[in-house]
Amino acid sequence: RKEVEQDPGPFNVPEGATVAFNCTYSNSASQSFFWYRQDCRKEPKLLMSVYSSGNEDGRFTAQLNRASQYISLLIRDSKLSDSATYLCVVNIWAGGFKTIFGAGTRLFVKA
Amino acid sequence: DGGITQSPKYLFRKEGQNVTLSCEQNLNHDAMYWYRQDPGQGLRLIYYSQIVNDFQKGDIAEGYSVSREKKESFPLTVTSAQKNPTAFYLCASKRAEGGEKLFFGSGTQLSVL
Repeated sequence: RKEVEQDPGPFNVPEGATVAFNCTYSNSASQSFFWYRQDCRKEPKLLMSVYSSGNEDGRFTAQLNRASQYISLLIRDSKLSDSATYLCVVNIWAGGFKTIFGAGTRLFVKA
Repeated sequence: DGGITQSPKYLFRKEGQNVTLSCEQNLNHDAMYWYRQDPGQGLRLIYYSQIVNDFQKGDIAEGYSVSREKKESFPLTVTSAQKNPTAFYLCASKRAEGGEKLFFGSGTQLSVL
């Protein structure tokens, strides 16, 4: 089982739709959590950190469920510019911090 | 502006050739990392360094080598022993080894001629 698993998609949605991505992690020693956005052949860029209390940044909402070991990202009112791959990232403490990346979920937003 | 600079953006390697990818940062970060990304896959850790003159192997170090002679620089050499080097290579850094976010360079696409 992979340490961080994501649905690869692709998710094809129309503009204005709401779309949700889930990510599960297997290591209960996971310490911190992030969503990154990656455009084709570009570097990943931090979208938002994920906190247990949930956090929101404009149209984006991230949630963490430690008991079930998953995190989620909700995008409301999708824009064409949201088309990208969304990477779930988990920092694990294993005698030192280790950063584990999910394989990413592809999103295509259509006009 | 502070950031991470990777060069070149595109690199071609001939059979049996060693090539070196450059990574320079002016963020005053202690920890630096090299990742490999293949299509449809997540980033896999090749090597990392937490301090000057020290580095550790990641999950896929075979066929690669690194050095960390200066805090700002962490070059990656893809040796002839790496039989499948075609991939997108990303350099990253963070302030210290810990749970903080990573800052990435813009990547190098390496292809085999």
